[in-house]
Amino acid sequence: AQTVTQSQPEMSVQEAETVTLSCTYDTSENNYYLFWYKQPPSRQMILVIRQEAYKQQNATENRFSVNFQKAAKSFSLKISDSQLGDTAMYFCAFMKHVSISNFGNEKLTFGTGTRLTIIP
Amino acid sequence: DVKVTQSSRYLVKRTGEKVFLECVQDMDHENMFWYRQDPGLGLRLIYFSYDVKMKEKGDIPEGYSVSREKKERFSLILESASTNQTSMYLCASRQPPAGGWFFGPGTRLTVL
Repeated sequence: AQTVTQSQPEMSVQEAETVTLSCTYDTSENNYYLFWYKQPPSRQMILVIRQEAYKQQNATENRFSVNFQKAAKSFSLKISDSQLGDTAMYFCAFMKHVSISNFGNEKLTFGTGTRLTIIP
Repeated sequence: DVKVTQSSRYLVKRTGEKVFLECVQDMDHENMFWYRQDPGLGLRLIYFSYDVKMKEKGDIPEGYSVSREKKERFSLILESASTNQTSMYLCASRQPPAGGWFFGPGTRLTVL
């Protein structure tokens, strides 16, 4: 079974600063996907960024980037030039690589979340 | 615009009541999921369904059942609600093998 650990229950930073959220995971799989999801207050969960484990290059989406260290099983999220709209719960999540044997019916395993507050 | 909707945003029930939480998706997705979200515990998978009338237990199925009679609708059933089932319930859907995940807005259930 896979486990995902987020060791920072809460964080806060000043607007325009850079913040890094940490995530570690445990798996015996070699191929898998990692995700960061954002859940704004009273709003729906949305995908921030996704990383395929077989790709060495770290994923980037505008102000969001990851530091993926496969050997260390670490997957941190960096938010640059933080904005008030970045205030949210952030969840790290793991999904096994899609397999023919499972017909692609994979599940997401989530961490416990980090509540990020951007201070004006 | 793709959508996953849940029948209620807030729900208050009494201990022992039978509770139905409904989830509907309009994307013709084969896979649907029910998660429970609690502070400090993150999201935990209750049940999922990979086809109509098909279901599988997740990590915490005790006290819950599900129904999927139509492809677009996935219901979570609390046969006899208890106070420890007070939580936020999130529905999600996905089209295998490579589709992304889409989440509903959540139902905050309080059992008194």
